[in-house]
Amino acid sequence: AQKVTQAQTEISVVEKEDVTLDCVYETRDTTYYLFWYKQPPSGELVFLIRRNSFDEQNEISGRYSWNFQKSTSSFNFTITASQVVDSAVYFCALNAGNNRKLIWGLGTSLAVNP
Amino acid sequence: DAGVTQSPTHLIKTRGQQVTLRCSPKSGHDTVSWYQQALGQGPQFIFQYYEEEERQRGNFPDRFSGHQFPNYSSELNVNALLLGDSALYLCASSLGITGWSYGYTFGSGTRLTVV
Repeated sequence: AQKVTQAQTEISVVEKEDVTLDCVYETRDTTYYLFWYKQPPSGELVFLIRRNSFDEQNEISGRYSWNFQKSTSSFNFTITASQVVDSAVYFCALNAGNNRKLIWGLGTSLAVNP
Repeated sequence: DAGVTQSPTHLIKTRGQQVTLRCSPKSGHDTVSWYQQALGQGPQFIFQYYEEEERQRGNFPDRFSGHQFPNYSSELNVNALLLGDSALYLCASSLGITGWSYGYTFGSGTRLTVV
């Protein structure tokens, strides 16, 4: 079975704090893709990153960084020096096997307060 | 460069009615996927259209049907609406048979309320 777990339902931080959003996935497939999407109050899901199962390199993009660890089946997302504009719901998603759909976590609602 | 356009943005329907939601994909994209997102939940895959054919379907009843037109736009139809169909319906576009695996472009969704 394929599953994505985002254990943190809600996180609240003060601006400029660092925050890490956790994502744990389950799949028996050796080839899979992991994604992070951001959903602001407007509702539109915004693609942030894609990682395939053969690429365990961590990635940094500005204030955003991702840590992919196959040994713990985790794909965590860190925002450094958070800003109010980072307030949104963040989703982790998985695609595995010969499948066209994404399996999504329940999302983590991040509130960054001034 | 226009992104994914969905219409209408909000809709209120009565139980038992039928509804049609529309989606225009991002310019250059030819594949459309539909997702249902209930409040507080992650999106659930409904189906994907490519070359005017349904390529894969999620665990949704036959009341949910779709169509893709030659210009790549798509419609999602839901018959015999139930209260549980109330949700945000998201359209996502991508390029080619595997382009979705590089990340979708999503629209802002249609908020459907069934009363």
